[in-house]
Parts: sequence; structure tokens; C-alpha cells
Amino acid sequence: SQQGEEDPQALSIQEGENATMNCSYKTSINNLQWYRQNSGRGLVHLILIRSNEREKHSGRLRVTLDTSKKSSSLLITASRAADTASYFCATVPGNKLVFGAGTILRVKS
Amino acid sequence: EAGVAQSPRYKIIEKRQSVAFWCNPISGHATLYWYQQILGQGPKLLIQFQNNGVVDDSQLPKDRFSAERLKGVDSTLKIQPAKLEDSAVYLCASSSTGTSQAFFGQGTRLTVV
Repeated sequence: SQQGEEDPQALSIQEGENATMNCSYKTSINNLQWYRQNSGRGLVHLILIRSNEREKHSGRLRVTLDTSKKSSSLLITASRAADTASYFCATVPGNKLVFGAGTILRVKS
Repeated sequence: EAGVAQSPRYKIIEKRQSVAFWCNPISGHATLYWYQQILGQGPKLLIQFQNNGVVDDSQLPKDRFSAERLKGVDSTLKIQPAKLEDSAVYLCASSSTGTSQAFFGQGTRLTVV
């Protein structure tokens, strides 16, 4: 079963704009992670935020976590055409790694 | 550091045939995952190993799917007999002890006709 649900399902923006994706989940977690998947490839880990953290940055990525609302957001600033991919949140309830359905991001140049 | 290796990359079989996928995780990684990703969906966890023991296989269709991890290193996932709805990408991932950050292989794209 999918633990996380991403919103929106698809997002199309112009190069240079910011992209925001949201993830909601159902059960308590140890941490939440975001992954990227380019078409036809495996998933690549982007960032991990622990349950006792509220915000984390990595380069052009900013992740927030609100455990009271069971939600997280991923912000990609100054997007590039190369950011075009599917983005998945993954939660860690217990010691499993459970993925949501993903957001398809298209960055137009 | 070598990544997670999977083979084959592509496989086409007829329904009711059997198929096997192989995965070699990153050296030293104790945890190994097999995921099924149907087109347009997120990866669904089939089975998770910790060394050579099964941690979770609650979503593995055990009447047709089987997996093993001999000696706590390589792993194989088998489907017998295959159904049309098994068409998907099968992803293997591994992580080291103490972290849940997973490293993924390129996947095996299975088409059942």
C-alpha cells in the first residue's frame, strides 16, 4: 500500500521558476525522504529529513516537514530543464521504505 | 563505489512462463529491497531483506513470486507463472545499516505478452 500521496500529480513550469511538490502520509514516521526518477532510470536519493526536523536545505532543494499535519513539501528553486523528472516522497514507518505515487515535473526551456 | 547492479535490463516473456531477476547490492549493504513499479505509479515494496533474513514480504504475491538472498549478498526474484499484470519495472535497492537512504539499480523492465 502507498503511504505517501503527492500533490500535484503533474506540474509544468518555465525554466527559472520555482517548483513546489507536496506529500501527505498516514502513519507516524522515523524520517521522510525525497527521490527523483528520470524516465526509464532508477531512483536517486535527493534529501532526507528526520521526524524531529522541520526544514532542511540541499543546494536548490528545500524540504519542510510538519509531523502534526503529516505532510512535507519539496521546493526546487530556479528550476532547470534537467530537473524534468518524477519526484517521489518516501516515508519510513518502522524500518520499511514506502513510496508515494509521485509528481511528474516538466520544466520547459 | 560500484552501484546496485541488476540484470537483465529488459525481458519479454509469454504469460504462464517463468522469469528470474538478479540483483547485486552495494558491497556491505545489509538491507536489500525489491520493488515493483507499474507504469505511472510509485514503487511498491515486494520484499525487504536484512542480511539473508526477510523483514517484510507482506505485499509479495507468494503464490507466484519468490525471492531469496543467499549468503546475505546477491538476491534473485522469481515469477512463476507470470501474468499479464506482472508487466512492470522491477527495482532492486540497498541501504547500509543505520540508514534508510536507499540506492537503486537501473531496474528490469518486464513485459508479459
